[in-house]
Amino acid sequence: SQQGEEDPQALSIQEGENATMNCSYKTSINNLQWYRQNSGRGLVHLILIRSNEREKHSGRLRVTLDTSKKSSSLLITASRAADTASYFCATDATQGGKLIFGQGTELSVKP
Amino acid sequence: DAGITQSPRHKVTETGTPVTLRCHQTENHRYMYWYRQDPGHGLRLIHYSYGVKDTDKGEVSDGYSVSRSKTEDFLLTLESATSSQTSVYFCAISVGIATDTQYFGPGTRLTVL
Repeated sequence: SQQGEEDPQALSIQEGENATMNCSYKTSINNLQWYRQNSGRGLVHLILIRSNEREKHSGRLRVTLDTSKKSSSLLITASRAADTASYFCATDATQGGKLIFGQGTELSVKP
Repeated sequence: DAGITQSPRHKVTETGTPVTLRCHQTENHRYMYWYRQDPGHGLRLIHYSYGVKDTDKGEVSDGYSVSRSKTEDFLLTLESATSSQTSVYFCAISVGIATDTQYFGPGTRLTVL
């Protein structure tokens, strides 16, 4: 069963707009990570947020984590066409020692 | 890309044939992983390794075996390929503990006819 599930499955916006993607998970975690995948490429790590953190920033990326709701959000501000990609959350359950990836959100940023 | 290469990058094979995919890293990281990616299923863990000769099963290990005789190489073998194993296969490494940031190879697109 999937630990992390992203919402929405697909998102289409105009350049300059903000993009928000959400991830929900089922069990307690040590950390949650977000990855980006450009078409035909491997995944690239974006940001890691630990269970004791509530918000983290990296450039135009802002990630929040709400452990009480078992959810996270990824905000991309002032989006660019180059942000077009699929975005995945990955969680490590406190038992298991492996990352489990969600099915991803497909973001399309139109120029 | 943390010095991760995968070979071959593309392969077409026939049902029933054995297939071996290779993942090579240049930085001697302990943890290595094989995933498959399919539409509607996201990324699923097949097998992983936490050291030379130390491997374990992931979520979708049936029909696959792995070997790691050297730190830098992690091999994935489909013992008798089936059409359901048509997929894109990604290798990844973790630079720290098992659940730290993972770095992915470029992927191998495998088609089983």
